[in-house]
Amino acid sequence: KNEVEQSPQNLTAQEGEFITINCSYSVGISALHWLQQHPGGGIVSLFMLSSGKKKHGRLIATINIQEKHSSLHITASHPRDSAVYICAVRRSGGSNYKLTFGKGTLLTVNP
Amino acid sequence: DTGVSQNPRHKITKRGQNVTFRCDPISEHNRLYWYRQTLGQGPEFLTYFQNEAQLEKSRLLSDRFSAERPKGSFSTLEIQRTEQGDSAMYLCASSSREAGELFFGEGSRLTVL
Repeated sequence: KNEVEQSPQNLTAQEGEFITINCSYSVGISALHWLQQHPGGGIVSLFMLSSGKKKHGRLIATINIQEKHSSLHITASHPRDSAVYICAVRRSGGSNYKLTFGKGTLLTVNP
Repeated sequence: DTGVSQNPRHKITKRGQNVTFRCDPISEHNRLYWYRQTLGQGPEFLTYFQNEAQLEKSRLLSDRFSAERPKGSFSTLEIQRTEQGDSAMYLCASSSREAGELFFGEGSRLTVL
């Protein structure tokens, strides 16, 4: 079983819809990252969080440390949000410079 | 542009050839990471540098792989005697502190025929 599981694997939405992507992990962590990857490969960091909630524009990320679960929400989705969204965790203790990644969620937003 | 730069962006090679990728991190970042990503998977950790010191090398890296960061600035990842299983996207990232935000390059895609 992967240490970081994302759901759904694929998500298709209509422009304007509210979107939720989920991430569950099975190890103790010091931080969780949400990243965005566009076709062609480049990865952009969206959020780094260790508790509570963060908001940036139309994006909201939440984390529940006790339940080992995080969600990424996109409000008023737009076709330009189409990308792969990846959850990654930084383990607590030991080699905390490494990230362990989920497989990603492919989001397609249709106009 | 002062982001993380990787080159070449794409490399097609025949099995058995050697390839080298270069990563130029953000200039003030002393930490540099290499990750590998295969189709449909998340990136996997390969190696980590703090300044010029290579502090960890994943078991994913066989003896055919070597990474350097000679002056603590740019880094190179060399793959010798490439195999088809080496086909992947090789991602470089840098950060200014150990548990800080990572800044990724655009990646170098390797195809081994």
